[in-house]
Amino acid sequence: GAVVSQHPSRVICKSGTSVKIECRSLDFQATTMFWYRQFPKQSLMLMATSNEGSKATYEQGVEKDKFLINHASLTLSTLTVTSAHPEDSSFYICSAAAGTGDPNTIYFGEGSWLTVV
Amino acid sequence: SQQGEEDPQALSIQEGENATMNCSYKTSINNLQWYRQNSGRGLVHLILIRSNEREKHSGRLRVTLDTSKKSSSLLITASRAADTASYFCATATSGSRLTFGEGTQLTVNP
Repeated sequence: GAVVSQHPSRVICKSGTSVKIECRSLDFQATTMFWYRQFPKQSLMLMATSNEGSKATYEQGVEKDKFLINHASLTLSTLTVTSAHPEDSSFYICSAAAGTGDPNTIYFGEGSWLTVV
Repeated sequence: SQQGEEDPQALSIQEGENATMNCSYKTSINNLQWYRQNSGRGLVHLILIRSNEREKHSGRLRVTLDTSKKSSSLLITASRAADTASYFCATATSGSRLTFGEGTQLTVNP
């Protein structure tokens, strides 16, 4: 079946630095990818919708200059957390929509744990 | 913002028992989906029910949808210890943009 890969699965970075998380659709083209954030024992909060070849659409309250999203190809979207702070520590999950039907089949990555120290 | 609520927040049962989780939402939807998440892992899609459907089955899973009450339920029959996970409902109003419920943590004791 379709697979969405996230990398890295775990990353620790120093406060003030930037970190990039990749989301790849391995065997299908994804015109749309989604980025979620999840705190421990909480639900997934949609951060932004990433569209190939265009600017991402951010949810209300999500700082677009802090969470940079790039969707340069049909199989890759990246989330860059800039000037990371300890409060950015979280589990970040991407998903990718396969096809153009309604409803689309949506596949989730395994997630990336970010720890900012 | 979250679409709605799930209850219970946590459910602990014995192996072999049935587990029922409920989900409520606030707006009109195109479809509702249920996902499973093992601790610290990604999400696994379980089942999708369209807004014009009332009930759907998949193996040991049974999902109902009541659009008049804006609610859905997920029933897992004959539960197993391996069913221990968090379960989330997610609603789609259009396209692939999902809004997740708060989730139910299910523990199945052997």
